[in-house]
Amino acid sequence: GAGVSQTPSNKVTEKGKYVELRCDPISGHTALYWYRQSLGQGPEFLIYFQGTGAADDSGLPNDRFFAVRPEGSVSTLKIQRTERGDSAVYLCASSLSGTASGDTQYFGPGTRLTVL
Amino acid sequence: GQQVMQIPQYQHVQEGEDFTTYCNSSTTLSNIQWYKQRPGGHPVFLIQLVKSGEVKKQKRLTFQFGEAKKNSSLHITATQTTDVGTYFCAGLNNFNKFYFGSGTKLNVKP
Repeated sequence: GAGVSQTPSNKVTEKGKYVELRCDPISGHTALYWYRQSLGQGPEFLIYFQGTGAADDSGLPNDRFFAVRPEGSVSTLKIQRTERGDSAVYLCASSLSGTASGDTQYFGPGTRLTVL
Repeated sequence: GQQVMQIPQYQHVQEGEDFTTYCNSSTTLSNIQWYKQRPGGHPVFLIQLVKSGEVKKQKRLTFQFGEAKKNSSLHITATQTTDVGTYFCAGLNNFNKFYFGSGTKLNVKP
């Protein structure tokens, strides 16, 4: 595709609910990243995929967060039992080959998650 | 743990004045990238620095990577209103993980 796309653009949910956020990376990019950005802060690393596998998931805050990329393209970030503190903009980025070569990361527009 | 600090948090300048933001890491970085995020937008890649002491220029923007590869700076000469946004550095550590700074929000008054 032309760029990284993310859906939905906005998600409002109630505390305790389950949400899924989707990322569609640039075609041909093997690396995919999820970040979380709170107001006035820089993107906070969550997880990095190289192909289908999670190469680094050390940024996931707890076991309520999980992400998959079953076919090495689209990725879904899943959050169980959402809490108000999960409210943030969730950014997805993709790059051609991954962080080992310090590739340019292309960011999607983000999903703004609000937990009431 | 790994930290990338960025200062200042905010900078207000008159159009035509210069602007500099600084990025400091607690550990040596493999490389550093700079991004610009416009209000309401997402981070957009500006440049990557890899070598110790490297300096790169993009028109009015000058990027430097420190000799010890632990700090970096972005300098904008003669700011314009189109420069408004938040500038982030992102350091890649030796374990191939990116750490973003908290950003410097630049406001340019016409």
